[in-house]
Amino acid sequence: GENVEQHPSTLSVQEGDSAVIKCTYSDSASNYFPWYKQELGKRPQLIIDIRSNVGEKKDQRIAVTLNKTAKHFSLHITETQPEDSAVYFCAASKKQLTFGSGTQLTVLP
Amino acid sequence: DSGVTQTPKHLITATGQRVTLRCSPRSGDLSVYWYQQSLDQGLQFLIQYYNGEERAKGNILERFSAQQFPDLHSELNLSSLELGDSALYFCASSVGGEGETQYFGPGTRLLVL
Repeated sequence: GENVEQHPSTLSVQEGDSAVIKCTYSDSASNYFPWYKQELGKRPQLIIDIRSNVGEKKDQRIAVTLNKTAKHFSLHITETQPEDSAVYFCAASKKQLTFGSGTQLTVLP
Repeated sequence: DSGVTQTPKHLITATGQRVTLRCSPRSGDLSVYWYQQSLDQGLQFLIQYYNGEERAKGNILERFSAQQFPDLHSELNLSSLELGDSALYFCASSVGGEGETQYFGPGTRLLVL
């Protein structure tokens, strides 16, 4: 089955700096890659997603890039704010979502 | 608010007991997924139902079972509970059955004492 690896497990950045989280997947048939943000004790919330026919997608301060050949995709957050602090999960899917292990992002004021 | 509802929000029970968690999907969504999230753990896929039928199974224990009813709500039954079953249980829903955007409910926090 699909295996998704996510790095780093923790990331601290200064407010205003950029944050990058990277994921790799194993199943070349996977074609859908969402990113979720989860605040402590709350539900995962979809923040951006990309499908395999697109290489990059941007939504305000958030962007995702996909390299199908290398089987990796990344989340980029620019101009980080304290409210961006949360755990971020990547996922890959052909049929079912397989989640990465999560990245605890801390934005320091 | 994702439109997915789950009840109860919290559940405290004892080892050996049985509990039922309930999920109502977003209006129009046919698929319901169940996930388990233990402390400091990621999201483990348990099972998916699509329009009343089991579609896919993940790491679901034999002590756990689920079903989806004609009105599309779903229930996850956990029996012979063990301390290690303490976790957040999320359901999610999507319109279709494969490779679709999933929207998560608020979760049920289960504590087994």
